[in-house]
Amino acid sequence: EAEVAQSPRYKITEKSQAVAFWCDPISGHATLYWYRQILGQGPELLVQFQDESVVDDSQLPKDRFSAERLKGVDSTLKIQPAELGDSAMYLCASSPRTGGLETQYFGPGTRLLVL
Amino acid sequence: GQQLNQSPQSMFIQEGEDVSMNCTSSSIFNTWLWYKQEPGEGPVLLIALYKAGELTSNGRLTAQFGITRKDSFLNISASIPSDVGIYFCAGQSPNNAGNMLTFGGGTRLMVKP
Repeated sequence: EAEVAQSPRYKITEKSQAVAFWCDPISGHATLYWYRQILGQGPELLVQFQDESVVDDSQLPKDRFSAERLKGVDSTLKIQPAELGDSAMYLCASSPRTGGLETQYFGPGTRLLVL
Repeated sequence: GQQLNQSPQSMFIQEGEDVSMNCTSSSIFNTWLWYKQEPGEGPVLLIALYKAGELTSNGRLTAQFGITRKDSFLNISASIPSDVGIYFCAGQSPNNAGNMLTFGGGTRLMVKP
């Protein structure tokens, strides 16, 4: 069964350092999402891609966060510089296309700890 | 923005008991989804509901899409230890870009053998 892949699974970094997370969506899925999940809460959307284009990044803290999906397949989320409050699980999800209410499938996540 | 209120926040039950949890919203959604998340993993889709009033089952799980489109519930019958995890409801509605998912705060389920 096809799955969303994410790496690394765990990352520990010091504040002010740069970190990057990678996501490979299910093959053929045009829409890719990055979520942040703080411990004890539900996931919150950071950014949504349709193919290689950002279509919603209204909740992305753009002073320190950036995301790209250059070829419309895999994606990278970067934080620079990391802050203590960025400690969370970062989840990637994909769905077949946009424009319809397609089900989103989640990867295993990257758990980030900022010291 | 949209918010989902999910209750209860946690449940500690005996194996074999039935479980019920629900979500309410101040906004209308076109789709309701129920996910389960285990420690260190991403959410896994359990049930998707697409029409108001729809009642759908997946094994021991049953979920309903409320008539008002502002609520949903999930029932688990005859709970077993592997049901342990955090259950999230999510409402889905079209945004300018496509579809947007809003999550509830989760219900942590603990099952005593």
